[in-house]
Amino acid sequence: GQQLNQSPQSMFIQEGEDVSMNCTSSSIFNTWLWYKQDPGEGPVLLIALYKAGELTSNGRLTAQFGITRKDSFLNISASIPSDVGIYFCAGQQNYGGSQGNLIFGKGTKLSVKP
Amino acid sequence: DTGVSQDPRHKITKRGQNVTFRCDPISEHNRLYWYRQTLGQGPEFLTYFQNEAQLEKSRLLSDRFSAERPKGSFSTLEIQRTEQGDSAMYLCASRPFRRGPNYGYTFGSGTRLTVV
Repeated sequence: GQQLNQSPQSMFIQEGEDVSMNCTSSSIFNTWLWYKQDPGEGPVLLIALYKAGELTSNGRLTAQFGITRKDSFLNISASIPSDVGIYFCAGQQNYGGSQGNLIFGKGTKLSVKP
Repeated sequence: DTGVSQDPRHKITKRGQNVTFRCDPISEHNRLYWYRQTLGQGPEFLTYFQNEAQLEKSRLLSDRFSAERPKGSFSTLEIQRTEQGDSAMYLCASRPFRRGPNYGYTFGSGTRLTVV
């Protein structure tokens, strides 16, 4: 099925570092969502973006909805060990109507530097 | 009601058997979704209900798969004659109809299916 291009695929972090990841698509989306998934669990919503250009923060997390509506980024500032996990972007092309299913990226795996 | 509940959490079945999973959404959410996630991939959409009506089905949902939401509350996903390729995490999500602070999807913890 259709998926978003999410990068990087994986990254190693040291505590205190800032982290940045992004998602691009050839299609326009009306909504961008960022999720974190821990092993054996379902994705947990971090940030939802509804308007092009929107910049939203949730604690140490900041995400932006690209102006072209074809991309989004997520930044994590001053990372801590519990930030480890897999981060997914998801785009939605319709809302308020009969559709609204999400299209996901392949994820960015955050690990701790050995 | 604190979230989306899925049962069972894990299921191991032999190839050819039928399996059924259950999802209990957040009670005030009238929209319910099923997704499938394989290792190293993001979740992929399977099907969507608004109340009891199944409004959309992905082409991933072969005729061996059937989903129901008979009273517009809980939903079941059945897979008949399971194949090894059906091994995956099956995720259920729900969301409210109207946009508001919690408009984003809430996912359950998933059911991990292993077909041997």
